[in-house]
Amino acid sequence: KQEVTQIPAALSVPEGENLVLNCSFTDSAIYNLQWFRQDPGKGLTSLLLIQSSQREQTSGRLNASLDKSSGRSTLYIAASQPGDSATYLCAARRFSGGYNKLIFGAGTRLAVHP
Amino acid sequence: DVKVTQSSRYLVKRTGEKVFLECVQDMDHENMFWYRQDPGLGLRLIYFSYDVKMKEKGDIPEGYSVSREKKERFSLILESASTNQTSMYLCASSITPSQWGTGTDTQYFGPGTRLTVL
Repeated sequence: KQEVTQIPAALSVPEGENLVLNCSFTDSAIYNLQWFRQDPGKGLTSLLLIQSSQREQTSGRLNASLDKSSGRSTLYIAASQPGDSATYLCAARRFSGGYNKLIFGAGTRLAVHP
Repeated sequence: DVKVTQSSRYLVKRTGEKVFLECVQDMDHENMFWYRQDPGLGLRLIYFSYDVKMKEKGDIPEGYSVSREKKERFSLILESASTNQTSMYLCASSITPSQWGTGTDTQYFGPGTRLTVL
């Protein structure tokens, strides 16, 4: 059974720091891995999607990497800002039970203080 | 922009009540999903639908049912609400049919409904 784990569960950093959020998954037979952002009381917004054949994706100050063999993905946030404060979730997509689905981690709650 | 709307942001119901959560998407997407989100557990898939009147059970369908009479609308029904169904409920939609293929498109999420069952 696929499990997705995110460490740390919470993180508080001063503005300007570069930081890394970690995501691990138990089954390497995934189609892709996706990172989402969730603001308090709101739905999820997709940040980056890495296909299984890719090693990384970049969008602005965000860079996500994928290492299928070790079952790991990282989200790197450069020069963090207070506006980056949110919960970040990773989700692995795999085919199971006749359909493909996203399996989510529990998230990392990030606070960036001025 | 894709827009997924949910009928209520906050809802308080009593044990045993029948509860309807509504979701509407405006982008003619094939797939629609219902998740619940609980602290420490992440999002878990309850049901999804890849076409009108079609539905598939997700990982935790017990105690729930769904209805999809029109392509843009997907309803989650709690036949007899219980306190352990207190949770945040999130609806999502996506373009590519999920019952086959790799489904590389992203899912678009609504703002969520926080349901409290007393």
